[in-house]
Amino acid sequence: AQTVTQSQPEMSVQEAETVTLSCTYDTSESDYYLFWYKQPPSRQMILVIRQEAYKQQNATENRFSVNFQKAAKSFSLKISDSQLGDAAMYFCACICNSNSGYALNFGKGTSLLVTP
Amino acid sequence: AAGVIQSPRHLIKEKRETATLKCYPIPRHDTVYWYQQGPGQDPQFLISFYEKMQSDKGSIPDRFSAQQFSDYHSELNMSSLELGDSALYFCASSPKTGRTEAFFGQGTRLTVV
Repeated sequence: AQTVTQSQPEMSVQEAETVTLSCTYDTSESDYYLFWYKQPPSRQMILVIRQEAYKQQNATENRFSVNFQKAAKSFSLKISDSQLGDAAMYFCACICNSNSGYALNFGKGTSLLVTP
Repeated sequence: AAGVIQSPRHLIKEKRETATLKCYPIPRHDTVYWYQQGPGQDPQFLISFYEKMQSDKGSIPDRFSAQQFSDYHSELNMSSLELGDSALYFCASSPKTGRTEAFFGQGTRLTVV
């Protein structure tokens, strides 16, 4: 069973607009971490933002913010003022499965297209 | 700032050959992870090391082995290569084991022909 689910294989946003990428996860752990990674065409994996499950406040990094709904096990990423350079594959990931220790469990990814 | 260094960046091998991938973590990072990303796939966890000891094991084939050396660099050894092993192999390091972010290298693209 997939631990992390991204239900949107592809998303599109116009430059300067806002887009939200969805992610849900499954865990029975009480202590876990959630992440969004960006993978541009260069294939480099770049950390965008992280969220500790014990923190109620949603994480924010400049134009990137998350909506962390712990009860619903939802962790969406909001990109504000989208830029052409934001075009990439976005992976939601968690360290939330004791079977894989402290390794990241990734979702299948959402491909984000940014149009001028 | 220093990043995770992987070598080689690209590697072409024939079926049944052996390949060795190297990873040099960020200085003072004591945990190393290896991931495999097939074409159009999400990264899959292979194996990790903490303080030179194997920490966790994921979907690593028996044909693959890995180790972490005294200088914390790690090597992934792959034998009897198959066409399906063609993928991007990432190494990532983190400053301590536990639920903290991992920083990824640029990956080694392995092509098996």
